[in-house]
Amino acid sequence: GAVVSQHPSRVICKSGTSVKIECRSLDFQATTMFWYRQFPKQSLMLMATSNEGSKATYEQGVEKDKFLINHASLTLSTLTVTSAHPEDSSFYICSAPGLLSSYNEQFFGPGTRLTVL
Amino acid sequence: RKEVEQDPGPFNVPEGATVAFNCTYSNSASQSFFWYRQDCRKEPKLLMSVYSSGNEDGRFTAQLNRASQYISLLIRDSKLSDSATYLCVSAPSGTYKYIFGTGTRLKVLA
Repeated sequence: GAVVSQHPSRVICKSGTSVKIECRSLDFQATTMFWYRQFPKQSLMLMATSNEGSKATYEQGVEKDKFLINHASLTLSTLTVTSAHPEDSSFYICSAPGLLSSYNEQFFGPGTRLTVL
Repeated sequence: RKEVEQDPGPFNVPEGATVAFNCTYSNSASQSFFWYRQDCRKEPKLLMSVYSSGNEDGRFTAQLNRASQYISLLIRDSKLSDSATYLCVSAPSGTYKYIFGTGTRLKVLA
């Protein structure tokens, strides 16, 4: 099956710093990727849709200036959490659709656990 | 009302038991449905897609009821390794955007 990787898997940073998370499709091209956030004991919430070569589409309530998304190639999307604060501490997961699948299947990265001190 | 609703549980069942989870969705335009399994502090992994005709994969059976807008997951002969959170997912027609339920926690006890 398709493989999606994320880097880093875990990051601890000080409040006010920016953190970049990479999401890569390893053996397939992804013109679209999705970024989710998951707080403890809650479900995954879609933050934004990353589109290769164009602007990302953000879900309601997600600040686009705080969560910068860049999808510069067909295999890489990055999410930058700018001026991170403790309330941004969460599990961030990306996914990419398997375009050969007829049932809208998506493949998820292993996630990045962000802790802001 | 949430678009996809699940009973959060936890469901505590003994090994070998049969357990069933239901999930309701509110968007009648939803076309694709999935069950994902998520272990603690890990990413979700696809358990099975849910087809209108229902489908079975070993000990797992998924059903879709479009009239009542719910999907179900049945696990037979529960194993300790089945302990996890089970996420119900719907995807509207023509989109890859997933709508996740809050998940149902299952604990299989020895």
